[in-house]
Amino acid sequence: EVQLVESGGALVQPGGSLRLSCAASGFTFSDYWMSWVRQAPGKGLEWVANIKQDGSEKYYVDSVKGRFTISRDNAKNSLDLQMNSLRAEETAVFYCAKGGYGDYPDAFDVWGQGTLVTVSS
Amino acid sequence: DIQMTQSPSTLSASVGDRVTITCRASQSIGSWLAWYQQKPRKAPKLLIYKATNLASGVPSRFTGSGSGTEFTLTISSLQPDDFATYYCQQYNSYSHTFGQGTKLEIK
Repeated sequence: EVQLVESGGALVQPGGSLRLSCAASGFTFSDYWMSWVRQAPGKGLEWVANIKQDGSEKYYVDSVKGRFTISRDNAKNSLDLQMNSLRAEETAVFYCAKGGYGDYPDAFDVWGQGTLVTVSS
Repeated sequence: DIQMTQSPSTLSASVGDRVTITCRASQSIGSWLAWYQQKPRKAPKLLIYKATNLASGVPSRFTGSGSGTEFTLTISSLQPDDFATYYCQQYNSYSHTFGQGTKLEIK
């Protein structure tokens, strides 16, 4: 069964840091683009970042550039998101999502269950 | 950056109705558009990819159309399980953008 399982969500103070992880199984992880998508309470979906199969290309939404870093470990079938200088308005459920097979990111055909990040003092 | 605008934001309909949701891109994205369905407290589910292609296991009552800047998702005969929020997403560029969502409610 193809599966993505996020972890690492927690309560963190404004200005703090947090690292999220996503464990992948049931498919050849190293063959696919991977992304993080977030959803604030009661709001819509926002794409956050993606990373190419070999980690050579990474892209971010403007609002997180310089503060968030996406990374992957193909040997461990894992995807991470390091988040620094967190803001209260970034409270959200964070999903990891499986993307495209080739040179381009493609649609997200598999999603994790999400992990909640709460930024509050 | 490419902006995606969905309409309507909310749609009230009855079981058996035919409904259409529209998504417009701020610039041409070819056919690089997906549609997702999301139910409360659940992860989104891919319905349509590359504008017109049905994802695996998705019922044939869901149809996607369009190219360039205007796209539609049509549900031919609403079933009780279809009441949810729907999002479009462009992936023409290496960054992705979602529409703001359309909540499909029971009339």
